[in-house]
Amino acid sequence: RKEVEQDPGPFNVPEGATVAFNCTYSNSASQSFFWYRQDCRKEPKLLMSVYSSGNEDGRFTAQLNRASQYISLLIRDSKLSDSATYLCVVNIPYSSASKIIFGSGTRLSIRP
Amino acid sequence: DTEVTQTPKHLVMGMTNKKSLKCEQHMGHRAMYWYKQKAKKPPELMFVYSYEKLSINESVPSRFSPECPNSSLLNLHLHALQPEDSALYLCASSQEGLAGDFYNEQFFGPGTRLTVL
Repeated sequence: RKEVEQDPGPFNVPEGATVAFNCTYSNSASQSFFWYRQDCRKEPKLLMSVYSSGNEDGRFTAQLNRASQYISLLIRDSKLSDSATYLCVVNIPYSSASKIIFGSGTRLSIRP
Repeated sequence: DTEVTQTPKHLVMGMTNKKSLKCEQHMGHRAMYWYKQKAKKPPELMFVYSYEKLSINESVPSRFSPECPNSSLLNLHLHALQPEDSALYLCASSQEGLAGDFYNEQFFGPGTRLTVL
């Protein structure tokens, strides 16, 4: 089983739609969780951190369920500029540092 | 300044060449990372430096040799690479505490796109 698994996608939705991504992780020692977005041929950029109580940033809402070991990302009122690959990221303590594990990513395309 | 810079942006090298990738950050971060990313795949961790010491080596072949000259700089020395090593090489940094403060996000540089002929 992969350490971090995401919806395979691709998701192709109309502008204005609501879209949700899920991600599961296998290591119960995982300490912190993030969603990154990556545009074609660019570096990953932090979209939002995911906190236990859930958090919202404008049109984006992230949720964490530690008992079931999954995190989610909800995008409301999607825009054309939301088209990107969304990477679920889990941070695991490891020795004197931490390991960051990426999910395989979910490609999102927003159509006009 | 929340920027991680990487040079060069693009690099083409032969299998017998020796080259180096450079990464710099001025955010006071004490952890720095090298990743390799192939097309349509997520980044794969290669090395982690914490407080200028190598903390994690993900069984990377010795033809890749990391170096951390100081807390702001991270190099990746390349020698005798293979064509399958062609990829985007990403550097990242994060706040990291010796006490195990693992809650901090990583900031990525724009990457070096490497082609090995």
